Amino acid sequence: EVQLVQSGAEVKKPGESLKISCKGSGYSFTSYWIGWVRQMPGKGLEWMGIIYPGDSDTRYSPSFQGQVTISADKSISTAYLQWSSLKASDTAMYYCARPTDSSSFGAFGIWGQGTMVTVSS
Amino acid sequence: DIQMTQSPSSLSASVGDRVTITCRASQSISSYLNWYQQKPGKAPNLLIYAASSLQSGVPSRFSGSGSGTDFTLTISSLQPEDFATYYCQQSYSTPPLFGGGTKVEIK
Repeated sequence: EVQLVQSGAEVKKPGESLKISCKGSGYSFTSYWIGWVRQMPGKGLEWMGIIYPGDSDTRYSPSFQGQVTISADKSISTAYLQWSSLKASDTAMYYCARPTDSSSFGAFGIWGQGTMVTVSS
Repeated sequence: DIQMTQSPSSLSASVGDRVTITCRASQSISSYLNWYQQKPGKAPNLLIYAASSLQSGVPSRFSGSGSGTDFTLTISSLQPEDFATYYCQQSYSTPPLFGGGTKVEIK
């Protein structure tokens, strides 16, 4: 079964760093892009960025460029989303997702269960 | 960036109703348009990709149409499990932004 399993919920203070993970299984991890999507409480979906684990090619939405870092460790089939200094406005649910098509980063057919990040003093 | 505008932002409908949601792109995206359903507390679920292709396992009451800048998601006969929020997404260019969502509520 193809699946993405994300790390658990996090509660952090402003200014702290954080790295959340997304482990892929049931498919060739290096052959598909993996993206990250933010959903702030009660709000819509925001595309943050995407990485191709095969060669670590990474693209960011301009809205998130410089605010987060996306990486991947293909040896353990895991993608990461990282912050160096969290803000209260980073409080959100974060989803990783994989496109249906290995040749593009289009439609996300496989989603992780989401990681809730809460940033509060 | 290509902006995606959905309408309406919410609607009330009854079981059995035919429901139509529209999505407009700020420039032509050919048929690079996807539709997702999201239920409260759950990850989104892909319904339609490439404007009109039904994702495997999705009921045939869901259909998509359109090309260029104007697209439609239709639910032919609304079922109780279809009450959810629906999002469109363009995958023509980076960043592949989502629309603002349409919440389908019970009348």
